Formats: sequence, structure tokens, C-alpha cells
Amino acid sequence: SQTIHQWPATLVQPVGSPLSLECTVEGTSNPNLYWYRQAAGRGLQLLFYSVGIGQISSEVPQNLSASRPQDRQFILSSKKLLLSDSGFYLCAWVPGLAGGPVPYEQYFGPGTRLTVT
Amino acid sequence: GNSVTQMEGPVTLSEEAFLTINCTYTATGYPSLFWYVQYPGEGLQLLLKATKADDKGSNKGFEATYRKETTSFHLEKGSVQVSDSAVYFCALLGPGGFKTIFGAGTRLFVKA
Repeated sequence: SQTIHQWPATLVQPVGSPLSLECTVEGTSNPNLYWYRQAAGRGLQLLFYSVGIGQISSEVPQNLSASRPQDRQFILSSKKLLLSDSGFYLCAWVPGLAGGPVPYEQYFGPGTRLTVT
Repeated sequence: GNSVTQMEGPVTLSEEAFLTINCTYTATGYPSLFWYVQYPGEGLQLLLKATKADDKGSNKGFEATYRKETTSFHLEKGSVQVSDSAVYFCALLGPGGFKTIFGAGTRLFVKA
């Protein structure tokens, strides 16, 4: 069966420090991968998505970046964190056949809670 | 563009009360519709889905019917439990789409 992992689970970082969040998926090949941010008490904001290795689409211009160095690994990074980067970061995957006639639901990881101080 | 609008929360109910969370959408073509649930401190998980008009999705006592004529997908449950306390997201996926569009979420509190 497929599983999705995110780490770390929680993180407290000072303003101006770098960030690296990791997401990995097991049990599937060539998934579509997504990064979302959820501010406290708010909805989901799509940050990046990827349909293949090295292919990244950015939804929101900001000081975050994403990379996909391996098929089932998705990394969210920042060189200098801002206070407004605090939130709950969620990674999700969809079978690689997404975009075709079958409507697949998204499978979410457990999330990383980031607090920027 | 595609969009989802759901009722603002929080919604507070007593145990065994009837639940309705309204969701309406705007989309071109015939999207698929979903309800996701997020328990405190966790990621989202699929609750139910419907892929064509008049389909009824159901799971764990929750139901929602895809109404093309009213562009709605309201979530209902006949008798809520304290364990149903969570945030509920209505979502839409357009035909052939890569990105799911989520509503803002509705927080439900159920009191014993």
C-alpha cells in the first residue's frame, strides 16, 4: 500500500534562517506531488506542484522554492524565513495518471507545523 | 475559473443533532466533487466523492449529492457524534485537471 511521510513534524525557526521540509511517498511510481500551506484557522493555499522529476510549477510567488530530486521525493525550501511563513505545511500526492479521465482524490501527509519566531 | 464556496463556521451542534454544511461551486464542464475532513493536528483525508451529476457519495454516515442544476454538493449527517468534530473541506477537480480546488473549510464542534 501507499504511504506518505513528512518531516519534521514540528519546527521552530528564527526569522532569516533557512528551511528544508521533506516529503516522500512509498508504494507508487511517478506520482503528482503538491505542497500546501495552511495558516492558523485558514484554508489551504497551493504553493507548488510537480508532475515529474525536476518539473515544478509555482502557484504563489514568495520566498519559498520546491525541488523534486527523485521520483517520490518533494522538498520545500527557503533561504530566509519570514514571520508570515509560519503555518501548517501539507504534502499530498495523486497517482501519476491524474489529468486523464479518472478523477483521483489527493492523499495527504501528516503535515509539518512551522513556527517562525 | 473554477471555485468552491462553503458556509463559514464554526458550526456548533449537540451530539445526535442533524448536520448540514453547504457547498456550492463554479466550474466549466463536469467536475468531480469531494469532501475532505481534517482532524486536529492531522492532514486531510477523503471523506466522500461524487464524479457525475446525481451521484451520491457516502461514508461513515455522511452523505452528499452532486446537484448539477443548483451547482451544489451539501454535506449531511443525520446524527453527529463528538468524534465528528473536525474541519470539513469541499473540493472540486475539473475534467482532466491536475489541481484540486478547495473551499475555505468549515469547522464543526460537537458537544456531548
